[in-house]
Amino acid sequence: DQQVKQNSPSLSVQEGRISILNCDYTNSMFDYFLWYKKYPAEGPTFLISISSIKDKNEDGRFTVFLNKSAKHLSLHIVPSQPGDSAVYFCAASRLFQTGANNLFFGTGTRLTVIP
Amino acid sequence: NAGVTQTPKFQVLKTGQSMTLQCAQDMNHEYMSWYRQDPGMGLRLIHYSVGAGITDQGEVPNGYNVSRSTTEDFPLRLLSAAPSQTSVYFCASSQNTDTQYFGPGTRLTVL
Repeated sequence: DQQVKQNSPSLSVQEGRISILNCDYTNSMFDYFLWYKKYPAEGPTFLISISSIKDKNEDGRFTVFLNKSAKHLSLHIVPSQPGDSAVYFCAASRLFQTGANNLFFGTGTRLTVIP
Repeated sequence: NAGVTQTPKFQVLKTGQSMTLQCAQDMNHEYMSWYRQDPGMGLRLIHYSVGAGITDQGEVPNGYNVSRSTTEDFPLRLLSAAPSQTSVYFCASSQNTDTQYFGPGTRLTVL
């Protein structure tokens, strides 16, 4: 059963406008949320994260919002640039007994920024 | 500083063959893990390690073995390859328990 869901497989946005990528999760034990960006033939690269004790984290053009009551998070990219075109994965983690945070990934959203 | 490296980049196996996917990191990270990515499934955790000599299973461990004899290396072994193991495999490492750094991946096809 998919514990992290990204219901939009793709999104197209004009350059300079805002991109909003959404993610939902089902497990209330998740305590850390991350966004990864992936280009073809490369591994995912870390973009931004947020702890469950916060509701917003900002890093330059990227902002992640967390709504714990709705079990929903979103990634905002403003302004969007053609170089942002990639697949974006939402991921969540929880602390296992061994102390390792293992990641549960969504299925990804392919963002295309149109020049 | 090469980060996380994986070899080979591509591999074709026949059903029943065995092979080892190599993963190495030069960041002295304690935590390492293996994921597989399948179309429409996202990435799923196969095995992970919190340090040399310590490994554990993830979501989809069947058909795979791991060992961690050094901090740097975390090989993934396929004992008897099956077509269902056709996938892209990613290795990752991290020092803290949150942000993981991924290798470029190995694309495996099992015929």
